This record gives sequence, structure tokens and C-alpha cells, in this order.
Amino acid sequence: DTGVSQDPRHKITKRGQNVTFRCDPISEHNRLYWYRQTLGQGPEFLTYFQNEAQLEKSRLLSDRFSAERPKGSFSTLEIQRTEQGDSAMYLCASSQSRTSRTSTDTQYFGPGTRLTVL
Amino acid sequence: ILNVEQSPQSLHVQEGDSTNFTCSFPSSNFYALHWYRWETAKSPEALFVMTLNGDEKKKGRISATLNTKEGYSYLYIKGSQPEDSATYLCALNSGYSTLTFGKGTMLLVSP
Repeated sequence: DTGVSQDPRHKITKRGQNVTFRCDPISEHNRLYWYRQTLGQGPEFLTYFQNEAQLEKSRLLSDRFSAERPKGSFSTLEIQRTEQGDSAMYLCASSQSRTSRTSTDTQYFGPGTRLTVL
Repeated sequence: ILNVEQSPQSLHVQEGDSTNFTCSFPSSNFYALHWYRWETAKSPEALFVMTLNGDEKKKGRISATLNTKEGYSYLYIKGSQPEDSATYLCALNSGYSTLTFGKGTMLLVSP
């Protein structure tokens, strides 16, 4: 098992451009989470999927953000019309959870994608 | 908005010193508490998941305790080594599967 992987690891873009990040979770993990960490803060929850269903979205996730998890495997996070305030580390995590909605299962994180918007 | 606080913000110790950090959280929102270690340029590594008041967990030289009634958890590192240098994050699960993180404690261990 190779763990959670994310691609790219770094992305530099100009304001107004669209960017897309990919996350490959641990095989057979049914839950996939996206978090964002800005400078000086802890990671903040953005959204999560159980299989292909997006179950929860944070109010941090504006209309410019969209996440998908087709077929319940890898996930993509797209940011349209990027702004300088989108500069952050975007973290993906996955878990294998047997219970409904609530879960104390460990979330395993990828190394993150660092986005810089110029 | 849940408030998870960690202290100190940063810590610099010498090799061999023992150290501890604090994570405080609203006890009324407790479901589980997670501790992670995050080394630069690597993935955050899961250390512990704690669910019961009075829980004490250990992994090598690292241990953690939990007090859900007063809303805090301590992480201890015995005999710190340079490879322990990392940011230590705690995260509260308030019953909805998503995690609310503190800002972390940055530990630097000098040889």
C-alpha cells in the first residue's frame, strides 16, 4: 500500500486561472476528505465523500470550488478564477469507515499540493 | 465554530529533554481526539485516536492522555531526539467525521 498520493505537489498560477488537483486515496478506503491549510493556521475542512457521494461541504468552499470523486476512487478539486487568497496547502485524506456519517476512524493524509496564486 | 487551541505555539529543546504539549477543546463537542505529527515536506502522520475520558496511549517514546470532562489532552515526548522535530497537530472530531484542527505546536530538537 503506497498511501495517499496527491498531484501536483506544487502549483504556481496567475490570478484568474483555473487549477485542478488530484488525490489518489488508499485502495479500498471509502471516505475521502479535502482540507486546506493557510499560513499560520491548522488544516481546515473543505469537503468529504463517501464513495462517490459528496456528503458535506464547508462554507469555506465557495462557488469557485468544485470537487468530484467519480467511481468512488480518485478525487479532483478544481478552483476556478483563482484569487490570491486561495494560496494554501491543499491536503487530501482517506479513511475506511464502517459506520454511518459519524466515525472515529483514522484519516490518512497525503503530502498536499501547495498552491501559489500570483 | 469550534475552537481547538494548542500550546505552546513552538518549542525548542535539546536532545534528551522530555517535553509536553497541550491541546484544549470544548468538552461539550467531544467525540474523538486525533494527534498527528507533520514533518516538513511529508504527509501528516497519524499518532493516536482517543475516545474515552482517562485514555492513555503510547507509541514508543510518545504518549498522550485525555480528559474529556475538562476538555484537554497532553502529548508527551520522553527523551526527545532530533528526528522528533516536527509540527504536532491535534484535531477534534465532534461527531460528524470531519476534523477541526488546532494550529499545531512546532517542535525543534537540537542535537
